[in-house]
Amino acid sequence: GAVVSQHPSRVICKSGTSVKIECRSLDFQATTMFWYRQFPKQSLMLMATSNEGSKATYEQGVEKDKFLINHASLTLSTLTVTSAHPEDSSFYICSAPDREGYGYTFGSGTRLTVV
Amino acid sequence: DQQVKQNSPSLSVQEGRISILNCDYTNSMFDYFLWYKKYPAEGPTFLISISSIKDKNEDGRFTVFLNKSAKHLSLHIVPSQPGDSAVYFCAASDYGGSQGNLIFGKGTKLSVKP
Repeated sequence: GAVVSQHPSRVICKSGTSVKIECRSLDFQATTMFWYRQFPKQSLMLMATSNEGSKATYEQGVEKDKFLINHASLTLSTLTVTSAHPEDSSFYICSAPDREGYGYTFGSGTRLTVV
Repeated sequence: DQQVKQNSPSLSVQEGRISILNCDYTNSMFDYFLWYKKYPAEGPTFLISISSIKDKNEDGRFTVFLNKSAKHLSLHIVPSQPGDSAVYFCAASDYGGSQGNLIFGKGTKLSVKP
C-alpha cells in the first residue's frame, strides 16, 4: 500500500536554529501533501497544503516565513521550521491523499523539541 | 507494513442506527489509542481515546472498545446522525499519547443517511 516516509522522527534543536522535516511518498506520487501540528488536547491543526510545482497554501494564523514548505517533486515535500523557538516544540505530521482516492496516508510524525 | 489498519474505506449507515468503525494494529507496544474525525477541508479533530489498561471508554454517543488480545479496537456511534458524516481515523501511540509519535490508519469515510 501507499507509504509516506517522514524524517526525522525526533529532533532536538537549539533556539534560533532551523529544522527541516521531510515527507516522501515511497510508492506513489503525492501531488498534494497536508502538514499538521498537534496541539494540546490532541487535536491536529492543519498548517498548510503543499502542491507539487506551486506555492503552498497556508491556513490562517500560520506564519509563511517561519514555516517554509517546499514541494519540489511528486515524491517529496519538506517543512522547514526557521528560527525555532521553544513554543514551536510540538508534533508535526504530514499526510497525502491515498492513490486509490478514498483515504489518506500519514507519515510517522516528527517530535520537535526546541531548547 | 502498516502498523494501524482500517480495512473498510467507507461505511454507510442509516440515521438513528449504530455505526461501527474498526481498527486493527500490529504493534503490541502501543498503549494508547485515539480516534479522530475529519471534515472536508479541515484538519482531523480529536474525538475519543482509550488507554491500554482499559477495554472501554464512553463519551456521549461515542464508545471505543479495545480488545488487546486481538489487537483490535472499534468506535461505536449510537445513534448515528447526519452530522457524523466524515472521515474517521484511528491512531496509536507507544508513549501514552502525550509524548509519543502517533501512527495513523488510512481512515474510514462514514456516511449517515437521513
